[in-house]
Amino acid sequence: KAGVTQTPRYLIKTRGQQVTLSCSPISGHRSVSWYQQTPGQGLQFLFEYFSETQRNKGNFPGRFSGRQFSNSRSEMNVSTLELGDSALYLCASSSEGQGRKEQYFGPGTRLTVT
Amino acid sequence: AQSVTQLGSHVSVSEGALVLLRCNYSSSVPPYLFWYVQYPNQGLQLLLKYTSAATLVKGINGFEAEFKKSETSFHLTKPSAHMSDAAEYFCAVNRNQAGTALIFGKGTTLSVSS
Repeated sequence: KAGVTQTPRYLIKTRGQQVTLSCSPISGHRSVSWYQQTPGQGLQFLFEYFSETQRNKGNFPGRFSGRQFSNSRSEMNVSTLELGDSALYLCASSSEGQGRKEQYFGPGTRLTVT
Repeated sequence: AQSVTQLGSHVSVSEGALVLLRCNYSSSVPPYLFWYVQYPNQGLQLLLKYTSAATLVKGINGFEAEFKKSETSFHLTKPSAHMSDAAEYFCAVNRNQAGTALIFGKGTTLSVSS
């Protein structure tokens, strides 16, 4: 079974621009979560989508948004980029079958804001 | 509120020595606990999970962890370290009941010397 895929893997943007990252979950997984990883703040939860609805949200400003499509693929958008948004953005998918609580992570998208 | 504390940001061991990475948690809901490993420039790989079944959990690559409710701990151990174990390790607790949103510790970098 193919794992979680994220595109693009690397991205360089200029401050003030916006960016869209994409995540394709493992086949059959309906939950997709996004995390931001930085050296200073570590791994922080951004939001989770399930069946096209945002189910949980972390403590990030409204510049960070996402959506999920009917095939469970998810996109994350960051508007008005700031230097501090430079990070590795990780997507994870999970199955909600009985006893299954683990999340499977993709390789991440490394965003650099200059 | 849920939180995770990993004691020691850096642990160094010799090849063949015992590996012990410490994790303490705080949770206001029944906890699900996870250990993930991250190799350079890669996403997170699940090592093992505790989801209220057996308190001693065995994972991949010879790792195991014991859930101790009285001590609110979930320490990761491996009897004999291998050079390939050098990586960053993250302990996580569920942010929500479904376990699809996680709160991570700051991580512990494991170095293995020959």
